[in-house]
Amino acid sequence: DVKVTQSSRYLVKRTGEKVFLECVQDMDHENMFWYRQDPGLGLRLIYFSYDVKMKEKGDIPEGYSVSREKKERFSLILESASTNQTSMYLCASTQGGTSGVHNEQFFGPGTRLTVL
Amino acid sequence: AQTVTQSQPEMSVQEAETVTLSCTYDTSESNYYLFWYKQPPSRQMILVIRQEAYKQQNATENRFSVNFQKAAKSFSLKISDSQLGDTAMYFCAFMKGGPGNQFYFGTGTSLTVIP
Repeated sequence: DVKVTQSSRYLVKRTGEKVFLECVQDMDHENMFWYRQDPGLGLRLIYFSYDVKMKEKGDIPEGYSVSREKKERFSLILESASTNQTSMYLCASTQGGTSGVHNEQFFGPGTRLTVL
Repeated sequence: AQTVTQSQPEMSVQEAETVTLSCTYDTSESNYYLFWYKQPPSRQMILVIRQEAYKQQNATENRFSVNFQKAAKSFSLKISDSQLGDTAMYFCAFMKGGPGNQFYFGTGTSLTVIP
């Protein structure tokens, strides 16, 4: 089974801190994604990556950056955390190639980040 | 651009009854795929069911089935014989064909199964 893990389930940080959220998948997936989940807003895509060292902006990239130095690891970085970045962050991965019905996204357990 | 709409923020159903969660989407693509995901309280998001747009036959997975109406751009999820473990947030998702595997999610429906 595909396993996607995230470095922390709960995280509390202070305004202005630099925050790293890490995600690791063990199925050699090419594509990885970072979402934030807020009540009433569903999942919103922050950034995604199709390959090592490649990244693409999603719908809400402002205030975030990402890093993908190895295929299995995709990091989300909050350069200077703010209170409006308090949220649940979900990582997902999927195999590469042309989209198909079996290219579902596999999700990590999520990191609930609170910025004080 | 693709949009996915779930118009029912919250729903409840009695145990053993049947419930239908609605989802509509808007796209100009002809090749795409649709999914329902389940997120139980404090647990990981998992895939419930998937559907290829070019297939007319509705997908089924045990107690879960979909009603896919391509012309109406509707993709509802039916849960039969509801169980307490079905209590979760349910998300409808759209993926267009071609490279990328990018998903577009609805805002979710919170389903509570009442004993």
